[in-house]
Amino acid sequence: EAGVTQFPSHSVIEKGQTVTLRCDPISGHDNLYWYRRVMGKEIKFLLHFVKESKQDESGMPNNRFLAERTGGTYSTLKVQPAELEDSGVYFCASSEEYFGSGPQHFGDGTRLSIL
Amino acid sequence: GQQLNQSPQSMFIQEGEDVSMNCTSSSIFNTWLWYKQDPGEGPVLLIALYKAGELTSNGRLTAQFGITRKDSFLNISASIPSDVGIYFCAGQASWGGRSGGGADGLTFGKGTHLIIQP
Repeated sequence: EAGVTQFPSHSVIEKGQTVTLRCDPISGHDNLYWYRRVMGKEIKFLLHFVKESKQDESGMPNNRFLAERTGGTYSTLKVQPAELEDSGVYFCASSEEYFGSGPQHFGDGTRLSIL
Repeated sequence: GQQLNQSPQSMFIQEGEDVSMNCTSSSIFNTWLWYKQDPGEGPVLLIALYKAGELTSNGRLTAQFGITRKDSFLNISASIPSDVGIYFCAGQASWGGRSGGGADGLTFGKGTHLIIQP
């Protein structure tokens, strides 16, 4: 069974540009999460999808971040326009069904550098 | 927001030694998890704990869910070179379901960086 996959693995863009990160969860997992780790800080929760619905987006930093999960399968996280402080590693995780969910399994992350 | 205090921040040990790290919180978590991250990879689940007081082992790893629900520890016995990496504790506030785990986002500690000298 394939794990959580993220694309791209690295992205280097200039301040003001737009970047879109993609996450493919483990097949059949209803829950999909986005997290971010800024250098020197802990991994922080951004938002949680249950199927195609946003269950909790309390961790999203500001309205420059837009997450979608069309059809309840893969998800995208778009940053527009990117700022210097957005640099970090963005992780995606998934877990199975909403009630009685199992533990979250993480992808290898997208390393985002804003110049 | 909720915070986890994880200690120690880093450990320099000799191969074969035992390792102990812990996490504490000012608020209750109903699920505790321990992850390990290797360079360039994402966190990999080591142990999940769903009940207060639960003691769970996974090979040379043992973790406990504190009875107050505000702490957890992870022990590694007889460390080997491949144990090198960053270990994270994570707490989850929600509770319920067949596996005991909730579905909300995780709160992470800052990590313990384990370095093993041969």
